[in-house]
Amino acid sequence: KAGVTQTPRYLIKTRGQQVTLSCSPISGHRSVSWYQQTPGQGLQFLFEYFSETQRNKGNFPGRFSGRQFSNSRSEMNVSTLELGDSALYLCASSIAGFHYNEQFFGPGTRLTVL
Amino acid sequence: AQTVTQSQPEMSVQEAETVTLSCTYDTSESNYYLFWYKQPPSRQMILVIRQEAYKQQNATENRFSVNFQKAAKSFSLKISDSQLGDTAMYFCAFLIMDSNYQLIWGAGTKLIIKP
Repeated sequence: KAGVTQTPRYLIKTRGQQVTLSCSPISGHRSVSWYQQTPGQGLQFLFEYFSETQRNKGNFPGRFSGRQFSNSRSEMNVSTLELGDSALYLCASSIAGFHYNEQFFGPGTRLTVL
Repeated sequence: AQTVTQSQPEMSVQEAETVTLSCTYDTSESNYYLFWYKQPPSRQMILVIRQEAYKQQNATENRFSVNFQKAAKSFSLKISDSQLGDTAMYFCAFLIMDSNYQLIWGAGTKLIIKP
């Protein structure tokens, strides 16, 4: 089975722009979670999608949004980018949610905001 | 607030030695899970071991075992017979099983296994 894939792997944007990141889960997994990883803050939970619905979210501003499609692929969007948004963005998939099953992580998208 | 503290930012040991990574957490909840994740350099995060808080028996996975002290809110990871491939960032995390379940992460410990 193919693992979790994320595209693009690297991205450079400037302040004020917006960006969309994509995550394709393992086949059969219906839950996708997103995390932000920075050296200063560590890993922080952004949100979780299950069956095209946001089921849970962390404490991030509304500039961070996401969606999930019927094939369970998920996208994350960040609008009006700030320098502090530079981070590794990880997505993880699980069969029914990380509170039920093991979650499997993708390689991440490294976002640099200049 | 729920927090996870990993007090060792970096550790290094010789190959074949045993190493223990520490983790403490703070919560008033009684129903939760604890995890150790491993993030090798430039590779994907993987689950190392998982412990249910209601279980008194410490979880083990081959060379990896935990020392779960619920009263002390401590959850350390022991790696026996360490191998070069164990070099990675190790993250402790816990999951509160309430209506707003979230995974709370520690800052990580960078573990270097020296040949």
